[in-house]
Amino acid sequence: AQSVTQLDSQVPVFEEAPVELRCNYSSSVSVYLFWYVQYPNQGLQLLLKYLSGSTLVESINGFEAEFNKSQTSFHLRKPSVHISDTAEYFCAVTYSGAGSYQLTFGKGTKLSVIP
Amino acid sequence: NAGVTQTPKFRVLKTGQSMTLLCAQDMNHEYMYWYRQDPGMGLRLIHYSVGEGTTAKGEVPDGYNVSRLKKQNFLLGLESAAPSQTSVYFCASKNGQGADTQYFGPGTRLTVL
Repeated sequence: AQSVTQLDSQVPVFEEAPVELRCNYSSSVSVYLFWYVQYPNQGLQLLLKYLSGSTLVESINGFEAEFNKSQTSFHLRKPSVHISDTAEYFCAVTYSGAGSYQLTFGKGTKLSVIP
Repeated sequence: NAGVTQTPKFRVLKTGQSMTLLCAQDMNHEYMYWYRQDPGMGLRLIHYSVGEGTTAKGEVPDGYNVSRLKKQNFLLGLESAAPSQTSVYFCASKNGQGADTQYFGPGTRLTVL
């Protein structure tokens, strides 16, 4: 079974400052990793995902995450945040083999961007 | 495409009442999911379906039942609501296994008094 730990439940940051949201996972098998974002009063939407290949993945709105197998981490970063990035961010993991139906989510990190 | 839709958006129940939440998707996805989201708990999987006519238990299935009679619809039922079931419920769907993206509905906010 897989598990996900998001180390910070809340992260306040000033506008235009950099941010890192931390995610560690536990799994005995090969996995796929995801970051989802939930804006206030909305459902979740995919931000980015790591499947294989380059360990650095990017989203269209400036976020990036780096897969680190030795540290079992998939931290999310953005060099300069905007007010519109205020949201809750969820890290998720799934087994990469056949029969993989479920995502396991972390408990979420609330990012608050301060003007 | 509407994507994933959920009905209703809000509902207030009294303890012991029953209700059904409807999830519909127009993307011809095979897999569908029901989650509940509670503060500080993230998303927890209640039940899921890997195809029309199939259902399976997730992490927190007690007190809920589901049905998937049509590929596009996934129903979540509460037979006798309890205050512990006060939550925001999300439906999601995806096309295939593993790396495929899950698409989420807007959620149903349920309060049980």
